[in-house]
Amino acid sequence: SAVISQKPSRDICQRGTSLTIQCQVDSQVTMMFWYRQQPGQSLTLIATANQGSEATYESGFVIDKFPISRPNLTFSTLTVSNMSPEDSSIYLCSVDRSNTGELFFGEGSRLTVL
Amino acid sequence: AQRVTQPEKLLSVFKGAPVELKCNYSYSGSPELFWYVQYSRQRLQLLLRHISRESIKGFTADLNKGETSFHLKKPFAQEEDSAMYYCALRERQGGSEKLVFGKGTKLTVNP
Repeated sequence: SAVISQKPSRDICQRGTSLTIQCQVDSQVTMMFWYRQQPGQSLTLIATANQGSEATYESGFVIDKFPISRPNLTFSTLTVSNMSPEDSSIYLCSVDRSNTGELFFGEGSRLTVL
Repeated sequence: AQRVTQPEKLLSVFKGAPVELKCNYSYSGSPELFWYVQYSRQRLQLLLRHISRESIKGFTADLNKGETSFHLKKPFAQEEDSAMYYCALRERQGGSEKLVFGKGTKLTVNP
């Protein structure tokens, strides 16, 4: 199984500020996926981060709001920009190491925006 | 649009009773389906996938294309099965792929 660590595990932020979440994987992976899990809701894919190319965003998510970096095959960051209370959520990083559809997840970053 | 539906938000059974968590999907291609589980204070993890046709922790799930269902079953529930269960559909489109999750069912197994 992959070891995935996310930082921060939780944070409380003020409206209008930005927060960057880091995701470190213990081995090289082609694609990294960023999901959001709002309170009482399912996991929603924000974007797929590919090394060496622009991230692919899902409908309803835009790069200006959720810029993603993927500098190498073991690391990615997701920034939540100009936050509002509606951005309060758990943000999850995940990888599919074997291209089988089995995703390994980080522990998540719980974000509260006041 | 592809969709995964889990009609039950909450499911409560007694230890030793059978349990079935429902999942229906909508997909125009050949579906690949998964069940993921999240135990308390643990990460979301894969429980089983339909391609493997395996039984994990006593759980099985059969893909029924006619009914577009992938229900998760266990004949005798245990207290340690209490968790959040998510059904997921692997979508492939134009060289990209992603997992689409249902809203989840919280299973509580009472002693």
